Amino acid sequence: SQQGEEDPQALSIQEGENATMNCSYKTSINNLQWYRQNSGRGLVHLILIRSNEREKHSGRLRVTLDTSKKSSSLLITASRAADTASYFCARQARSNYKLTFGKGTLLTVNP
Amino acid sequence: GAVVSQHPSRVICKSGTSVKIECRSLDFQATTMFWYRQFPKQSLMLMATSNEGSKATYEQGVEKDKFLINHASLTLSTLTVTSAHPEDSSFYICSATWGQGASGANVLTFGAGSRLTVL
Repeated sequence: SQQGEEDPQALSIQEGENATMNCSYKTSINNLQWYRQNSGRGLVHLILIRSNEREKHSGRLRVTLDTSKKSSSLLITASRAADTASYFCARQARSNYKLTFGKGTLLTVNP
Repeated sequence: GAVVSQHPSRVICKSGTSVKIECRSLDFQATTMFWYRQFPKQSLMLMATSNEGSKATYEQGVEKDKFLINHASLTLSTLTVTSAHPEDSSFYICSATWGQGASGANVLTFGAGSRLTVL
């Protein structure tokens, strides 16, 4: 399976704290994307990082990519209760448009 | 921004019946649409890739006769679950793209999902 692993599977923090989620993959990628999913809803695209990039920022989000280790991390700073959701990384292969999703991290931010 | 509408959001049907789920790109032409299936608290599993005007490409293990996909226009793809059984109960999510952006990066826009319950 091309699915990688995300850790932790679940993360519970207090509002204002930072949350870090990690994602590992097995095959070469064109880019890696992070998505958010609220319970029972569709996915919302958060940020995309290309294989030749090492770090990217978007608001309170910071994504890093280490292609030598085949891993990525998503950092959410100064978390809010509204950040409570599942977060998925998705790898896009070089050869096609397909996205392969990781297992996700369920983030709970307690007020 | 790009919007994908998925309908119905919830459907309950009897075992043996067929159910059709629609996925529409509202403000862009979707050259490619993807159908995913998600079990509770699990990841999204790609079922098939649908290109306008051609047959869908199914992932290994997905029954093409069970899950009929039609992408008749650049704004509409449909997934029909034929002769549904309780084990087909799941959350089905479509996504669409208009093609590659800069550097070949491809961002998908997702529908809100359809929760199918087969009794």
